[in-house]
Amino acid sequence: SAVISQKPSRDICQRGTSLTIQCQVDSQVTMMFWYRQQPGQSLTLIATANQGSEATYESGFVIDKFPISRPNLTFSTLTVSNLSPEDSSIYLCSVVEGINQPQHFGDGTRLSIL
Amino acid sequence: SQQGEEDPQALSIQEGENATMNCSYKTSINNLQWYRQNSGRGLVHLILIRSNEREKHSGRLRVTLDTSKKSSSLLITASRAADTASYFCAYAGGTSYGKLTFGQGTILTVHP
Repeated sequence: SAVISQKPSRDICQRGTSLTIQCQVDSQVTMMFWYRQQPGQSLTLIATANQGSEATYESGFVIDKFPISRPNLTFSTLTVSNLSPEDSSIYLCSVVEGINQPQHFGDGTRLSIL
Repeated sequence: SQQGEEDPQALSIQEGENATMNCSYKTSINNLQWYRQNSGRGLVHLILIRSNEREKHSGRLRVTLDTSKKSSSLLITASRAADTASYFCAYAGGTSYGKLTFGQGTILTVHP
């Protein structure tokens, strides 16, 4: 299975700033996704990162708050903008290599807002 | 998308006992996957079961799928303290290729 490297693993940020999270895969993958896990809760899909085009966002998530880039088939970034305490969560990228294939996750980025 | 349901929310057992976790969903699915998460770290993929499969095994893990009841179960046999973690089911439905909807999770504690 693909090896996923996610950076940073954790960060503490000031309110009003932004954090960019990187997701690097060791092979080309068809689909990449970004998820959020709020404290004590399950995972929620933020968006599908589309290679060479705008990401597809789920209900409740907007591009201005969560801009996503995917310049190629092995790399994506998620930026969390204008940070507030409510953004304190774990953010995870995931990849899937084909239909009915396992979806694998990075180790996540634990974000805390002061 | 609507979250799936898992029960129990928490399960506490002794080493050597079996642990069963259940997952229910509300849409048609292509597959259902089970994950383990240790202490808020990344998710470890355990098993994927396709909609045309009824049972899969991997080591001490057994997963069943009943599409008529829209439910799945994960059985961990002969549990160990190292199995202590949160377990999530996640499913990809219909045309939502790759987009996973997660269950609420079961917190499993295995006492040595």
